[in-house]
Amino acid sequence: GEDVEQSLFLSVREGDSSVINCTYTDSSSTYLYWYKQEPGAGLQLLTYIFSNMDMKQDQRLTVLLNKKDKHLSLRIADTQTGDSAIYFCAEPAVGYSTLTFGKGTMLLVSP
Amino acid sequence: DTEVTQTPKHLVMGMTNKKSLKCEQHMGHRAMYWYKQKAKKPPELMFVYSYEKLSINESVPSRFSPECPNSSLLNLHLHALQPEDSALYLCASSQVLAGPQETQYFGPGTRLLVL
Repeated sequence: GEDVEQSLFLSVREGDSSVINCTYTDSSSTYLYWYKQEPGAGLQLLTYIFSNMDMKQDQRLTVLLNKKDKHLSLRIADTQTGDSAIYFCAEPAVGYSTLTFGKGTMLLVSP
Repeated sequence: DTEVTQTPKHLVMGMTNKKSLKCEQHMGHRAMYWYKQKAKKPPELMFVYSYEKLSINESVPSRFSPECPNSSLLNLHLHALQPEDSALYLCASSQVLAGPQETQYFGPGTRLLVL
């Protein structure tokens, strides 16, 4: 089966950059997603990247994609306490019926 | 507007109760999903509806009964649940059945506690 891997925990200080890493499995995945989940809330689509791109930037967010290594990263510049949340990377499941999620990275931002 | 709404926000029920979770979207999406999420875990797919027809049932126990009365609404009927069914239940929708270019949008979830 598919397995999307993420580190489980990241702690940074406010104002620093955060980098959350993900390794996915399906080299044919055309879109790769980052979702954010704040405590007690649902999943918020943060950003996504199409597989023919190496990088996508959206304000404080930068997504880097290394297709050769099947490695995806999310960089958050000038991390704020409001960025504290769990971040899930996801890829379309085989058969494309749904998404395969990583286990989530808990980002803790301290003042 | 990329909003998916879910009601209720919180639900406490006993093991003999019957209750329903509701999900609504007005984005014209024709695929809707139910996920179950336990604490500190990723969401797990339960059901998928495509054009109001059940497309996928991930071997979910019959005490969970989904219903899609129209293209904007998705219900999850609950009966005789067990305490281990306590979780966050998330609804999602996408324009059509999730594919390589279909983005799923999630609701805020219903937090269910079964006593």
